[in-house]
Amino acid sequence: GEDVEQSLFLSVREGDSSVINCTYTDSSSTYLYWYKQEPGAGLQLLTYIFSNMDMKQDQRLTVLLNKKDKHLSLRIADTQTGDSAIYFCAESFDSGNTPLVFGKGTRLSVIA
Amino acid sequence: EPEVTQTPSHQVTQMGQEVILRCVPISNHLYFYWYRQILGQKVEFLVSFYNNEISEKSEIFDDQFSVERPDGSNFTLKIRSTKLEDSAMYFCASSRRGWDDYGYTFGSGTRLTVV
Repeated sequence: GEDVEQSLFLSVREGDSSVINCTYTDSSSTYLYWYKQEPGAGLQLLTYIFSNMDMKQDQRLTVLLNKKDKHLSLRIADTQTGDSAIYFCAESFDSGNTPLVFGKGTRLSVIA
Repeated sequence: EPEVTQTPSHQVTQMGQEVILRCVPISNHLYFYWYRQILGQKVEFLVSFYNNEISEKSEIFDDQFSVERPDGSNFTLKIRSTKLEDSAMYFCASSRRGWDDYGYTFGSGTRLTVV
């Protein structure tokens, strides 16, 4: 079945880059997402990438997709304390009306 | 920015009791969902709802669960007879199918504690 795996914890110093990694198993996944969850808040869509893309950049965020290895990464440049949160990788076959399959989330701690 | 609103934020209930979790999706969205996250586990899909009926449900969504859109604005999840293992964070989400709209908008969640 479908599965999404992430490392559970990442700690970085303020100003450094953070790289959060994710692997998935379903090769038919069309859309891959990164969600952010701050304490007490919902899941906020950060960015997404189509499976026919290798890279997507959005300000401080860079998403890299290696479809051959089924590996997705999220790079946050110049990490700030406000970036401390849980980051979820998710995949789906469709753009908005098929279930998302989530990883367990990576807790990013930013040290000042 | 439009939000998905969930109430209550935290609910404590006794085992065997019925609970109703409430959600107000974004007004022009057409698809509605419930997900849950047991502490330390993955966010799991429960059910999707479109055009006043369930369009897809997971194995978790058994006969103890039901969903309803009673009045065109609210979207509810009912658990008929709660079990300890139903303790989790329940997230409502909505989406508008369209070529320029990707992903879902999630609410802040309801933390359900069954004692």
